[in-house]
Amino acid sequence: AQSVTQPDIHITVSEGASLELRCNYSYGATPYLFWYVQSPGQGLQLLLKYFSGDTLVQGIKGFEAEFKRSQSSFNLRKPSVHWSDAAEYFCAVVPGGATNKLIFGTGTLLAVQP
Amino acid sequence: DVKVTQSSRYLVKRTGEKVFLECVQDMDHENMFWYRQDPGLGLRLIYFSYDVKMKEKGDIPEGYSVSREKKERFSLILESASTNQTSMYLCASSSRYEQYFGPGTRLTVT
Repeated sequence: AQSVTQPDIHITVSEGASLELRCNYSYGATPYLFWYVQSPGQGLQLLLKYFSGDTLVQGIKGFEAEFKRSQSSFNLRKPSVHWSDAAEYFCAVVPGGATNKLIFGTGTLLAVQP
Repeated sequence: DVKVTQSSRYLVKRTGEKVFLECVQDMDHENMFWYRQDPGLGLRLIYFSYDVKMKEKGDIPEGYSVSREKKERFSLILESASTNQTSMYLCASSSRYEQYFGPGTRLTVT
């Protein structure tokens, strides 16, 4: 079945440590790919997106993500995490074709230890 | 900046009440969406609209309806609220693929 998978439900990292959040998709064609962040009690904010071209994309708040076609992955990274990065992170995909509906993963909740 | 606003941040309603959730966007976007968000389930699409007076069912439309009389406004209606509709409701708008979200309405049905 077509899906977006975020295998890590919870992740805890220390402040200043590096971060990688995983996202895999199972659509045949290369979809459009997004990462969103949701702070507690808030709506979702777009961190970055990939449509085509350079497979390493830069986003806001110091985040980047790399598209790997061979692995059907779009992992989110940050070299040094700040306490304010504690939030829930969602990977999302527009599968392609005539639709512009977003398909979301179930999210990864990030906790940051001092 | 794109701004999507939702009429209430928190709402408490009784079972059987008719509930209206309002969403307004200020960027002249053609597309608007309603999602519900539940722990462990991510975001699930309830309804979306590509144009005024146009609507299409999402993945979980049962128990909901929508109205889009003006381009900037998209309303979600719970005809007869039930306790299993207690959730966070998120509205979004887009011109193409990237969606911009409102702050959400946390609805509790008792």
